[in-house]
Amino acid sequence: QVQLVQSGAEVKKPGSSVKVSCQASGGTFSRHAISWVRQAPGQGLEWMGRIIPIFGQTKYAQKFQDRVTITADKVTSTAYLELSSLRFEDTAMYYCARDNTVDIDTYMDVWGKGTTVTVSS
Amino acid sequence: SYVLTQPPSVSVAPGQTARITCGGNSIGSKSVHWYQQRPGQAPVLVVYDNTDRPSGIPERFSGSNSGNTATLTISRVEAGDEADYYCQVWDPSRDLPRVFGTGTKVTVL
Repeated sequence: QVQLVQSGAEVKKPGSSVKVSCQASGGTFSRHAISWVRQAPGQGLEWMGRIIPIFGQTKYAQKFQDRVTITADKVTSTAYLELSSLRFEDTAMYYCARDNTVDIDTYMDVWGKGTTVTVSS
Repeated sequence: SYVLTQPPSVSVAPGQTARITCGGNSIGSKSVHWYQQRPGQAPVLVVYDNTDRPSGIPERFSGSNSGNTATLTISRVEAGDEADYYCQVWDPSRDLPRVFGTGTKVTVL
């Protein structure tokens, strides 16, 4: 059974960038996409974007289009989320999740445990 | 972008039935997925494609979708069902193609 293992907590200053990783353990990314979802403290879930690793194809929520880059390494089955120009309101838990298929109209069936990103001066 | 509206909270006694609604314009024409998020944990898929359950999810969890409302029903509620629940759909709008509902806190009395 595939598990998604995320990198550790990050503390960053406003204006800097953060890069979070998500590695598939016990499986690969083949025939799946990887999405990134964030959750600010006490708030709901917010989809940020996704990548289809075998094609390198990405799609982003317009809100993050200018600041987010999602990449993937097929060899190591690792996906990355990079968020730039960090603001205090980017403080959140960031989850990676496996899309059931490469179709955009699908669900997320496996989730990582999350990575806390804190933006503080 | 497409908006999904859920009640902020639902309270239910153990053994009773909880119903969580997810309202959206013509949501009945879309595939709705539901996630459970217990405190301090990552979300878990509990219903997908309106009515299907992933392996390992109890039959007590069921879904329906028609018109402008989708519903997640939890039968014979247990203390362990206390969590936040989110609905999710895909919308072809360019700005936010994957949309989550506002979330519902289920409290077991």
